[in-house]
Amino acid sequence: DIQMTQSPSSLSASVGDRVTITCRASQGIRNDLGWYQQKPGKVPKRLIYDASSLQSGVPSRFSGSGSGTEFTLTISSLQPEDFATYYCLQHNSYPLTFGGGTKVEIK
Amino acid sequence: EVQLVESGGDLVQPGGSLRLSCVASGFTFSSYAMSWVRQAPGKGLEWVSATSGHGVSTYYADSVKGRFTISRDNSKNTLYLQMNSLRAEDTAVYYCAKGGMTGKGFDPWGQGALVTVSS
Repeated sequence: DIQMTQSPSSLSASVGDRVTITCRASQGIRNDLGWYQQKPGKVPKRLIYDASSLQSGVPSRFSGSGSGTEFTLTISSLQPEDFATYYCLQHNSYPLTFGGGTKVEIK
Repeated sequence: EVQLVESGGDLVQPGGSLRLSCVASGFTFSSYAMSWVRQAPGKGLEWVSATSGHGVSTYYADSVKGRFTISRDNSKNTLYLQMNSLRAEDTAVYYCAKGGMTGKGFDPWGQGALVTVSS
């Protein structure tokens, strides 16, 4: 099974900050990775697919990069509505696996 | 607009059974893999199971293998999850999601169905 190690598990940031979240796969997964945002009490929403492709309707301040085993989600200028928990997901092979999540909180 | 609507969540005793349903609309259901993903209270996301568009291929997380069965009725645009031998650790919100290994992950997700396993 492919393990996804996500870091950090939480972070505090201010509006306007640049935020970076990392996921590391235990083996190469090409670019078969997505990033998801979940706000409290809400349904998860896909932000990025294929490691770097922006989901339709998602603001351009979100971007993804990486391939193989190292991946990054970047929020270029954090907005109040971005405070949420973020998860990576590998869909290279079954069982599909999520990272442990990163909770982005207000500083 | 793509919509996924789950039903069937309930309180069930340990060892009991439950079947979740997910009705899909807004896309050609039979052309897409479909998955179930769960989230225990206060915890992260866990993929549970997936099925191919035609329903012949099915996949399970080790934590549910042998106890849960995924199926679909493409004539009714409906996905199912039959859950047997339920345990307290199966308590979670269960989400139906379009996609799987194919389909570039999950999009969109249903609103979720709460399953509580407790005596």
